Amino acid sequence: DADVTQTPRNRITKTGKRIMLECSQTKGHDRMYWYRQDPGLGLRLIYYSFDVKDINKGEISDGYSVSRQAQAKFSLSLESAIPNQTALYFCATSGAGGIYEQFFGPGTRLTVL
Amino acid sequence: EDKVVQSPLSLVVHEGDTVTLNCSYEVTNFRSLLWYKQEKKAPTFLFMLTSSGIEKKSGRLSSILDKKELSSILNITATQTGDSAIYLCAVPQGGSEKLVFGKGTKLTVNP
Repeated sequence: DADVTQTPRNRITKTGKRIMLECSQTKGHDRMYWYRQDPGLGLRLIYYSFDVKDINKGEISDGYSVSRQAQAKFSLSLESAIPNQTALYFCATSGAGGIYEQFFGPGTRLTVL
Repeated sequence: EDKVVQSPLSLVVHEGDTVTLNCSYEVTNFRSLLWYKQEKKAPTFLFMLTSSGIEKKSGRLSSILDKKELSSILNITATQTGDSAIYLCAVPQGGSEKLVFGKGTKLTVNP
């Protein structure tokens, strides 16, 4: 079984709809991250959480919100989706204490029409 | 502002060629540099480098860090079509566990 899972894997939605992307991990990691990837732009950090009570904005948080329901679960919401949020979204986890390697989920391809 | 710049952005080679991918960085409180390979979906970890001049090697892939030049290279020898991927370089931002990624180098290996 995969250590980091994301649901859904693909989603097509319309402008203005609310969308939630979910991430679960079995690695026991405290740190969790949401990234989006656009062609030619690499991975950009949306939000991150260093533990259940800690939520921080990344470089491109506008239009997004997150919820850390438990150590193992971190959800990303688009309150009112817009076409330029069409992208590949990744969840990642890492251990604490200066451990920098991040483990990525399989990604969610989101299309906003 | 911390940043990571990779070059080239794309590269097309033939099987058997040797390639060198470059990564330069500007970051406060440097701790390490990481390389990832992204084939179809999720990036997968290749190397983490913390010390200058010490080569990390895995099969045909190797990488080295030059802290004086604020850069790293990733070498792939005797390339195969399976090496076709996007290679991402990242550094922890400000010494935290947050990573700043470069835009990646898209490598295409033709038979």
